[in-house]
Amino acid sequence: QVQLVQSGAEVKKPGSSVRVSCRSSGDTLDTYTISWVRQAPGQALEWMAGIIPIFGTSNYAQNFQGRVALSADKSTSTVYMELSSLTSDDTALYFCARGYSSQTQFDFWGQGTLVTV
Amino acid sequence: VVMTQSPVILSVSPGERAILSCRGGQRVNSKLAWYQQKPGQAPRLLIYDTSTRATGVPARFSGSGSGTEFTLTISSLRSEDSAVYYCHQYNNWPSTFGQGTKVEVK
Repeated sequence: QVQLVQSGAEVKKPGSSVRVSCRSSGDTLDTYTISWVRQAPGQALEWMAGIIPIFGTSNYAQNFQGRVALSADKSTSTVYMELSSLTSDDTALYFCARGYSSQTQFDFWGQGTLVTV
Repeated sequence: VVMTQSPVILSVSPGERAILSCRGGQRVNSKLAWYQQKPGQAPRLLIYDTSTRATGVPARFSGSGSGTEFTLTISSLRSEDSAVYYCHQYNNWPSTFGQGTKVEVK
C-alpha cells in the first residue's frame, strides 16, 4: 500500500523559511510527480508546485514563483518543499500528493503538515 | 480557472440521494476529479476524468458532466459520507479546486 509520510508541524517567525518533507513508501516515485497543495483556514485547496523526482524538474504556480523550491532525494524516495519569506498568510496545512503529472488527479496524499507563522 | 461549487452545505437524510454541483469558469473537458475530506484527514480521491471511480470507491458515488458543468451524486447516503467534497480541474494550468461542499447526514 502506497503511503506518503510528511514531516511534523512547524512554527515559524515571519520572514523565515520552512522545509517540509514527504517520503514515499510502498512504491517508488519513478513514474510519478509529487505536487504540493496547501489548505489555508477557510480557503480552497491550492496547488503550489510539482516535481518529477527521477528528473528533479519542477514547475511552480505563479503565486509562489520565487518563494517555493522543490527538491528530491531519489535514494530515500523523499521530496522536499521549502517556502521562504513566510507571512501570516502562509499559515496553512500543506499536503504532498501523487499524480502522473502536475496536471492530473492526485491518487495518494500525505497526511498534511501544519505550518503556523 | 475558478471552480464554483454548490451548495455550500447540503443536509440529507440517510438513504437519500445527494447531488453536488461544480461549475468551471472555462471548459475543463473531462479533466475533473472529486475528493472527499473528513476532519483531520487528507483528501481522498473519489472520481477522476469526470466519471471514473478510483480504486475502492463504493458504487454509490458517481460523477457526470461535461464542458463546464459537473455533478457528483451519492445515490444512497450513509452516515460515513459526512465530509467536505471538493472538485478539481486539471485541464487548465495550474490545476484548481472548488471551495467545497459540506455534506451533513441528518
